[in-house]
Amino acid sequence: DGGITQSPKYLFRKEGQNVTLSCEQNLNHDAMYWYRQDPGQGLRLIYYSQIVNDFQKGDIAEGYSVSREKKESFPLTVTSAQKNPTAFYLCASSTHTEYQETQYFGPGTRLLVL
Amino acid sequence: QQQVKQSPQSLIVQKGGISIINCAYENTAFDYFPWYQQFPGKGPALLIAIRPDVSEKKEGRFTISFNKSAKQFSLHIMDSQPGDSATYFCAAKGSSNTGKLIFGQGTTLQVKP
Repeated sequence: DGGITQSPKYLFRKEGQNVTLSCEQNLNHDAMYWYRQDPGQGLRLIYYSQIVNDFQKGDIAEGYSVSREKKESFPLTVTSAQKNPTAFYLCASSTHTEYQETQYFGPGTRLLVL
Repeated sequence: QQQVKQSPQSLIVQKGGISIINCAYENTAFDYFPWYQQFPGKGPALLIAIRPDVSEKKEGRFTISFNKSAKQFSLHIMDSQPGDSATYFCAAKGSSNTGKLIFGQGTTLQVKP
């Protein structure tokens, strides 16, 4: 059963705490992405990685960090520097041909601040 | 330059009606325009996509209309059904190989029975 899995479904963060969101894919995709979704603001790109051991900042990378040690895994850490972390976080992976670029999304993790 | 502007923010349509969502962009380097559908609490899923070498693409009840000169594209949902109630995002991608999609702000569609 191929796809993207994200865990946990819900995550609670205390003040000053770092938390890590998991994203795993078994689609054999090279590229992976992290988005943040807030009501009325669409999907904003946090980080993306086109290949193992390489990643780039997206539009809202401040307060977040990532690693890409394995092709199938792209964990996101929300650090204490992120002052407004409450949001729905979506991981995606993609394959692309000359004619199409399709991003496949996971089910998301909702992060809440205690 | 990198923005994709989507309207309306929300839309209510009667069952059987036509739902129309519009998007506009500035960057003429964009060459791939997908639409994603998202149900509450779920991740978005690709619905339909178009490249600027065609003006229209139809898949079942879903049609993308593309106006290259106006830098606008729209999603038409014919014979809208309550099961179509979801949030719809347009997006755009440039011709580079980064794979980055620029998303619109989203439109929440409610189809009333």
